[in-house]
Order: sequence, then C-alpha cells, then structure tokens
Amino acid sequence: DGGITQSPKYLFRKEGQNVTLSCEQNLNHDAMYWYRQDPGQGLRLIYYSQIVNDFQKGDIAEGYSVSREKKESFPLTVTSAQKNPTAFYLCASSGQGRSSTDTQYFGPGTRLTVL
Amino acid sequence: AQSVTQLDSHVSVSEGTPVLLRCNYSSSYSPSLFWYVQHPNKGLQLLLKYTSAATLVKGINGFEAEFKKSETSFHLTKPSAHMSDAAEYFCVVSDRGNTGKLIFGQGTTLQVKP
Repeated sequence: DGGITQSPKYLFRKEGQNVTLSCEQNLNHDAMYWYRQDPGQGLRLIYYSQIVNDFQKGDIAEGYSVSREKKESFPLTVTSAQKNPTAFYLCASSGQGRSSTDTQYFGPGTRLTVL
Repeated sequence: AQSVTQLDSHVSVSEGTPVLLRCNYSSSYSPSLFWYVQHPNKGLQLLLKYTSAATLVKGINGFEAEFKKSETSFHLTKPSAHMSDAAEYFCVVSDRGNTGKLIFGQGTTLQVKP
C-alpha cells in the first residue's frame, strides 16, 4: 500500500520532556509538511521541507524541530520549549511542493497529550 | 495575502436532503482551492480541487463545488446527504509562490440526522 504513516497514534508526555513524532511516506514525494490541529480550528503549519536536508519554518515553529535526512522520513520533535503541546499533529506530503496546484496527502495523525 | 472563510461552523441536515457548505476566499490572483474532509481522529482526505480549469469541479462521494470568481466563493454541495458524510470539512486555498503551502479555513462540522 502506498501512503503516509504516522506513529504512534497516541502519545503521552510529561512536562519538560522532548518527544519525537514519526512520519514516513512511500509515495516518492519530494515535499513533506507538519501541521498542528487544535479543537475547532483549522490546521496550522509548523515546518515544511521541499527537499532532503532542507526545511523551512511555518507559521508556528517555536518549540518544534525537524530533520529531513531521507526523502521518505520527516520526524517532528516537540521540545520542552513548546508551551502548549497538547494537540493533534498531522503530517502531509506532496509531489514537489513548489506549485500552488500540488495536492497534499495526509497521514492519520498523532494525538499528543501532555500530562 | 490569501485567506479563506468558512461561513458556517456547524451545519445540520437530514439524511437524503441536500448539503451546502459555504466558503469564501480572498486572493489577489487566480487561486487553487481545495475541499478536504476529516472524520473524527483521522487524517484529511481530499474531496476535490480547483486549479483554473472547469469552474464546476466534481469530487468523490458525490460532492461538487463551483468556483465563482465574481463572488469569491467556492461552496461545496451534495444533492443527497448520507449518514457517512458526517464529518469536519475544510476549505483550503494554496499560498501563492513556490512553497505549496496551504491556508486552511476554520472548518465546518456537518451533522447528518436520520
């Protein structure tokens, strides 16, 4: 099956801990994205990457970090500096990420809860 | 700057009746527009997209949307609602430039009553 996988589905974190969310795609897409979703709100862009070894900050990058060492993988680390990390996190990918007509395909999401 | 406004946060219809989810956009150029659907605790699935071809766009599961430049609207419709259509719907505009960034509306929750 081709698609985007995210793991884990549910994640619990204690305050002060860093956690890493996994995102893998086998669609051979160049571009990958991380979004945060809060109840009753649309998605907000955290980071995106259009090519391996390069990534850009989105609208709400503070308290998050990413890496893009492989085309298929774009892990997101939620650091202790993120003040309110409890949210639903969605990963997406698109063919090239350099056109306004590109379609983004989404993974199933990870729900992070800070205890 | 591009933006999108979904005019209703919640829409309730009876099964078998038409669905109308309203979306207005703001853009200084001809935009690419999308509708996505999200079922509870799931990722987003693309319903349809407009990219300056035909103004009436047909999507999956019987949904369609019409791009109206004069009204800056991209409303989503379906002739007959099904119980499985109950979900959150997002209208999305693509950011201008070479980033592929998407700008999301706040979402409309569709409730379908039996």
